[in-house]
Amino acid sequence: RKEVEQDPGPFNVPEGATVAFNCTYSNSASQSFFWYRQDCRKEPKLLMSVYSSGNEDGRFTAQLNRASQYISLLIRDSKLSDSATYLCVVNGDTGRRALTFGSGTRLQVQP
Amino acid sequence: DTAVSQTPKYLVTQMGNDKSIKCEQNLGHDTMYWYKQDSKKFLKIMFSYNNKELIINETVPNRFSPKSPDKAHLNLHINSLELGDSAVYFCASSQLRLAGGPGETQYFGPGTRLLVL
Repeated sequence: RKEVEQDPGPFNVPEGATVAFNCTYSNSASQSFFWYRQDCRKEPKLLMSVYSSGNEDGRFTAQLNRASQYISLLIRDSKLSDSATYLCVVNGDTGRRALTFGSGTRLQVQP
Repeated sequence: DTAVSQTPKYLVTQMGNDKSIKCEQNLGHDTMYWYKQDSKKFLKIMFSYNNKELIINETVPNRFSPKSPDKAHLNLHINSLELGDSAVYFCASSQLRLAGGPGETQYFGPGTRLLVL
């Protein structure tokens, strides 16, 4: 089983749509959770951290369910510029401080 | 100003050659990393250095040798390049935060696209 699993997509949605991505992780001792965004042929960039109580940043909402080891990302009112690959990322061991990446979910927002 | 920079951006070379990739961060971070992103776009940690000390060394062939001359630089040297080494190599850096706080953000360089022929 992969440490972090995501649906690879692609998700093709029209502008203005709401889209949700899910992710599961296998290490129950994981401490920190993130969503990163990676544009084609670019480096990953932090989109948002994910907190236990859930958190929102503009059109983006992240949720964490530790009991189910499940992370989600909701994007409301999709824009063309949201087209990218969204990477679910987990830090399982604060001593190692290395991130474990999911393989990413590709989003294509269409006009 | 570029926070994490890598050189070269592209590297095309023959099998068997030795090559180096350089990374520099101007964020004052204490930890630097090397990740490999393969053709399936899967990003995987290779090495991590904290204040010039190696703290993570994943299952990577010993043809790969990281070197950190100071905490702002982490270079990657690859000996006897093989076809399977073709990938994008990303350098990243982060700063330790207090335990119990939000997770550290890692900042990535633009990547080095290595193609071994």
